[in-house]
Amino acid sequence: DVKVTQSSRYLVKRTGEKVFLECVQDMDHENMFWYRQDPGLGLRLIYFSYDVKMKEKGDIPEGYSVSREKKERFSLILESASTNQTSMYLCASSRYGSGANVLTFGAGSRLTVL
Amino acid sequence: RKEVEQDPGPFNVPEGATVAFNCTYSNSASQSFFWYRQDCRKEPKLLMSVYSSGNEDGRFTAQLNRASQYISLLIRDSKLSDSATYLCVVNTYNNNDMRFGAGTRLTVKP
Repeated sequence: DVKVTQSSRYLVKRTGEKVFLECVQDMDHENMFWYRQDPGLGLRLIYFSYDVKMKEKGDIPEGYSVSREKKERFSLILESASTNQTSMYLCASSRYGSGANVLTFGAGSRLTVL
Repeated sequence: RKEVEQDPGPFNVPEGATVAFNCTYSNSASQSFFWYRQDCRKEPKLLMSVYSSGNEDGRFTAQLNRASQYISLLIRDSKLSDSATYLCVVNTYNNNDMRFGAGTRLTVKP
């Protein structure tokens, strides 16, 4: 089974703090994604990466950055957390090519910014 | 207009009922279509892909209507364990651009 592991299930941070969300997948997937999920809005893509050191902006990249130094690890960084970044963050991975449509998600990281 | 729209529900149905969800998408060039299931406080998981000819997986039937730009999910003989949020997903531009609907919540009651 593909496993996508997010290091923190619940975080509480203060406005202005730097936040790191870590995601690791163990199936050698090329593609990795960060989404946020908010009630009534569904999942919105923040950033994705299709290779080591490669990254592409999604729909809502403002206030976020990412890092992919190793194939299995994709980190989401909030340089200066704000209250409107309180959300559920979901990491996902998929294969390149014909398997790219099938996303496997991590369990999510619920971030509260006070 | 949202790219992928779903009726948020909630749909409350008794066990054994048949329930159908629709999802509309705005981009006529969309290529691939899926239903994901998300249990409360859990991550989304792929339920089934939606093929042009329609497809069935046990009690679940998915259909695609390209002309009207909607996909549907039919659940027959509902079980308590079907209670979840069902997410409509459309691959719009390329393999890295999956668009999610906000989800339809289903509760199956005894």
